[in-house]
Amino acid sequence: NAGVMQNPRHLVRRRGQEARLRCSPMKGHSHVYWYRQLPEEGLKFMVYLQKENIIDESGMPKERFSAEFPKEGPSILRIQQVVRGDSAAYFCASSPSVAGKETQYFGPGTRLLVL
Amino acid sequence: DQQVKQNSPSLSVQEGRISILNCDYTNSMFDYFLWYKKYPAEGPTFLISISSIKDKNEDGRFTVFLNKSAKHLSLHIVPSQPGDSAVYFCAASGNSGGSNYKLTFGKGTLLTVNP
Repeated sequence: NAGVMQNPRHLVRRRGQEARLRCSPMKGHSHVYWYRQLPEEGLKFMVYLQKENIIDESGMPKERFSAEFPKEGPSILRIQQVVRGDSAAYFCASSPSVAGKETQYFGPGTRLLVL
Repeated sequence: DQQVKQNSPSLSVQEGRISILNCDYTNSMFDYFLWYKKYPAEGPTFLISISSIKDKNEDGRFTVFLNKSAKHLSLHIVPSQPGDSAVYFCAASGNSGGSNYKLTFGKGTLLTVNP
């Protein structure tokens, strides 16, 4: 049973470019969460999605960041016009579609470096 | 405002001895707590969790203790093994407004187990 998959593992972008980060949840999981880890910090919640729905994007910066989880295919975190402060590790997690306390299983992360 | 605090950035113990990692929280709405382990260049791996209705949960070498009145939890690893060397994150979630999926992480503690 494959775990949460993220690609690319490393991404280098110049200021002003776009970054697209992909996440495929574990098989059978329909809940996806994105977290960001800045250097020397803990992970911070960004957004929670279910298939075709954004449930909670309270942790996402209001501008330049967007996320989607289409009916088919992976979840995408998109960062437009990247700036140096966007350099971080971005982790995706997924959980099964059951109510109550759910353990979130994390992917290996995408390390974004903005030059 | 950091709602989950891990005040020890690092901890070093001898193989075979006990490792005790500590975590404090400030948000009284938190009712579910988790510990994740993270190796470099990998995503966090779930270790153990505890609900606020319990004060102890044990899984093999890992035990988590929760002191609600002190808003404090700890992870005990006994006996410690060199393979336990990693960064350990404490995380918490609460059912405030139905957002029990939103994990709040501490900054992590780097555990080094010396042979």
